[in-house]
Amino acid sequence: EPEVTQTPSHQVTQMGQEVILRCVPISNHLYFYWYRQILGQKVEFLVSFYNNEISEKSEIFDDQFSVERPDGSNFTLKIRSTKLEDSAMYFCASKGEMNTEAFFGQGTRLTVV
Amino acid sequence: KNEVEQSPQNLTAQEGEFITINCSYSVGISALHWLQQHPGGGIVSLFMLSSGKKKHGRLIATINIQEKHSSLHITASHPRDSAVYICAVRITGNQFYFGTGTSLTVIP
Repeated sequence: EPEVTQTPSHQVTQMGQEVILRCVPISNHLYFYWYRQILGQKVEFLVSFYNNEISEKSEIFDDQFSVERPDGSNFTLKIRSTKLEDSAMYFCASKGEMNTEAFFGQGTRLTVV
Repeated sequence: KNEVEQSPQNLTAQEGEFITINCSYSVGISALHWLQQHPGGGIVSLFMLSSGKKKHGRLIATINIQEKHSSLHITASHPRDSAVYICAVRITGNQFYFGTGTSLTVIP
């Protein structure tokens, strides 16, 4: 069964460092998402991406964040200068058509120290 | 802003019991998803609903658009059903709003 894969599963980084979280969506999917979940809190939407551009983003997704689909298979989330409060589980998701189910990756746990 | 409320927040059940988890939301939606989050953190999509009812094995999901309410039912619950169940709604476009989740523990 096709699945969304995320790497790494856990990343520890120093405050102020740049991190790139990687996702490989399901191959024929068109819509891509990043979400985050701070420990003990609800999942929050960050950004959606369609047709090689951001289609929506939340107020969390400020100038420190960027997304890219560099090679037609990977979908990356970059955090330029990490802060302690960026520590969270980051989930990638993809779906094929607008009104279909989204498939989630297993998540990347980011710890900023 | 849409609020998504789930109840109960925590639920403990004996194996075999019938379980219901509820989700209410405050504005019109285009779709509602039920998700399962495993103890390790991974999320699995269980259902996407825009009307009516869906069934998958022991899981049943219903939605009442007029009442802005959805329920997830688990029949003949099993310890492996222990997880956090999350309701998420899509209003327009691609943005989802998530509930806080219901933590289910099924005791053998």
